[in-house]
Amino acid sequence: QKEVEQNSGPLSVPEGAIASLNCTYSDRGSQSFFWYRQYSGKSPELIMSIYSNGDKEDGRFTAQLNKASQYVSLLIRDSQPSDSATYLCAVKPPGGSYIPTFGRGTSLIVHP
Amino acid sequence: DTAVSQTPKYLVTQMGNDKSIKCEQNLGHDTMYWYKQDSKKFLKIMFSYNNKELIINETVPNRFSPKSPDKAHLNLHINSLELGDSAVYFCASSRREANEQYFGPGTRLTVT
Repeated sequence: QKEVEQNSGPLSVPEGAIASLNCTYSDRGSQSFFWYRQYSGKSPELIMSIYSNGDKEDGRFTAQLNKASQYVSLLIRDSQPSDSATYLCAVKPPGGSYIPTFGRGTSLIVHP
Repeated sequence: DTAVSQTPKYLVTQMGNDKSIKCEQNLGHDTMYWYKQDSKKFLKIMFSYNNKELIINETVPNRFSPKSPDKAHLNLHINSLELGDSAVYFCASSRREANEQYFGPGTRLTVT
C-alpha cells in the first residue's frame, strides 16, 4: 500500500519565520517528489519538484529529500501571510506507474 | 491563456440525474487525470488517461466514466448522481514521464 503521510496541522508561524513542512513516504524506491500549494477554494499549484537527494532551492522555497530516511520536506523562508495555504506532498512510486500519490496536506498559517 | 480549463465551475443537481464535466488542456500534455477532493480536502485519484490507456482507481463506482475525444480533452460523465458524490472535481494534465501535474480550477458539484 503506497502511503504518503503529512501532519495535517495547522502549522502556525509568525511572519518572517521559517516554515518547515514534512512528508514521509512508504514506497522505497520512489523517484519523483512534488510539493503543491492549495489556497482555500482554489486548485493545487505545483511549486517544487525534486528528484535527487539533497536540497533544491527556488526563491524562498527549499525542498529537501532524504531517500534513505524516506522523507521530503519543504522550507519556506521569510514566511508571508500570503503563504497561508495547504501544502500537498506528492510522490511518484517506482515502477511503471506514473500516477503520483498525494498526502492529505498540511495547513500553514502565517500570522502577522 | 488558461492551461487547464474545466466547465462548469459550479454544478448543482438532484439525486438520480446524469451530468458531465468537461476538461481541456492546451499544454500539449499526453496524460490527463480526474481527481475528487472531498470535504476533508483529501485529493483522490479517480482516473488517468494516457495515449488511449485508461487507468481506473478500483474504488471509483462504475457510475463514473471518463471520455476522451482527443489528447486535449478528458470529460467526466456521472450517472445516477448520489448525495455522496458532492465534492470538488479537479482535472489535471502532465507529460507522462515528467509527472508534474497542472490542475484545472475545479468543479464544485453539489447533489441535493
